[in-house]
Amino acid sequence: AQKVTQAQTEISVVEKEDVTLDCVYETRDTTYYLFWYKQPPSGELVFLIRRNSFDEQNEISGRYSWNFQKSTSSFNFTITASQVVDSAVYFCALSFRDDKIIFGKGTRLHILP
Amino acid sequence: AAGVIQSPRHLIKEKRETATLKCYPIPRHDTVYWYQQGPGQDPQFLISFYEKMQSDKGSIPDRFSAQQFSDYHSELNMSSLELGDSALYFCASSPQTALRPGPNSPLHFGNGTRLTVT
Repeated sequence: AQKVTQAQTEISVVEKEDVTLDCVYETRDTTYYLFWYKQPPSGELVFLIRRNSFDEQNEISGRYSWNFQKSTSSFNFTITASQVVDSAVYFCALSFRDDKIIFGKGTRLHILP
Repeated sequence: AAGVIQSPRHLIKEKRETATLKCYPIPRHDTVYWYQQGPGQDPQFLISFYEKMQSDKGSIPDRFSAQQFSDYHSELNMSSLELGDSALYFCASSPQTALRPGPNSPLHFGNGTRLTVT
């Protein structure tokens, strides 16, 4: 069975603080893909990153960084120097055929001014 | 660049009515997916189509049906609407596997149709 767990339902931090969103996944497949999506209050799903199971390199994109660790089946997402515009629901997701995507329950992030 | 177009953006229906949601994929995308996102929930996969044939099925109620047409657009038909059907419905499209770019999302999501059943 495939499953994505985002244990943090809701997080609030003050602007400029760093924040890490946790994601743990389960799959029996050796080839799979992991994603993060952002859903702002307007409702659209904004793609942030895609990682395949063979690429454990960490990724940094501006204030965003991702830590993929197969040993712990985790794919955590860190926002550095958070801004109010980062307030959104963030979904971690999994796909085993680069096809249908299975989402976690999401973490609602509040950045307080 | 052209994106996935969903219509309507908002729809209000009464219980027991029917609703039809439309999705126009990105040109040359041959696979379409439908997701349902209830309030405060994660998007749940409903159904997908590849080359006009159903390719996968998720937690789609029997009251719902969908199809993909010859021009690759898709429609989600919902009958005997219930209050619990109120949700954001996303359509996503994807090109054939060989053309899915490495670092990017294989699925391109539309902005969704917000259905309210009263």
